[in-house]
Amino acid sequence: EDQVTQSPEALRLQEGESSSLNCSYTVSGLRGLFWYRQDPGKGPEFLFTLYSAGEEKEKERLKATLTKKESFLHITAPKPEDSATYLCAVQLMDSNYQLIWGAGTKLIIKP
Amino acid sequence: GAVVSQHPSRVICKSGTSVKIECRSLDFQATTMFWYRQFPKQSLMLMATSNEGSKATYEQGVEKDKFLINHASLTLSTLTVTSAHPEDSSFYICSASSLYPGTQYFGPGTRLTVL
Repeated sequence: EDQVTQSPEALRLQEGESSSLNCSYTVSGLRGLFWYRQDPGKGPEFLFTLYSAGEEKEKERLKATLTKKESFLHITAPKPEDSATYLCAVQLMDSNYQLIWGAGTKLIIKP
Repeated sequence: GAVVSQHPSRVICKSGTSVKIECRSLDFQATTMFWYRQFPKQSLMLMATSNEGSKATYEQGVEKDKFLINHASLTLSTLTVTSAHPEDSSFYICSASSLYPGTQYFGPGTRLTVL
């Protein structure tokens, strides 16, 4: 069965304390892996798409990496405004572009 | 680029009434649109997938006669919750994607409260 698992469920960091969020997946055929950020009461905001193992993408303090089994979202020197829930999703080949979602990691950055 | 709007952002209605939610892709043509429902502190639950000009494909357990989806153009999809009941109260979110690269861009969501 196709599955996406995110860890940890929640992560509390001090401002400036770097860390990583994990997204592991078991799927039949990966078209792409997506990272989104969601603030309370809002729709998810697109961050990155990764298509093949070894690929990396960066945006400000965030860097996403992909292997054949998992993806990491690295956050460097986070600020309080980085606090949000980070969602990982995979898109399968032959899937009409549907996404299989992880449960998310709630990130809290304390000033 | 890739902006998706949703209207209304909040709606309160009485039990038994119908509510229509609009989802628009503002700066791109969306070949596929998706409707999700999200309960508090839970991840997104896909309700249905619609391709422009075709009937929507509903996920298992989603009543197609209750949640009517229309995708009449490449920039507009609507979700109508018919005969709404308190258990339909939720946060509804749409997303839109084009054929390539297939990234889903999300609207801001609609908070539905049925009294």
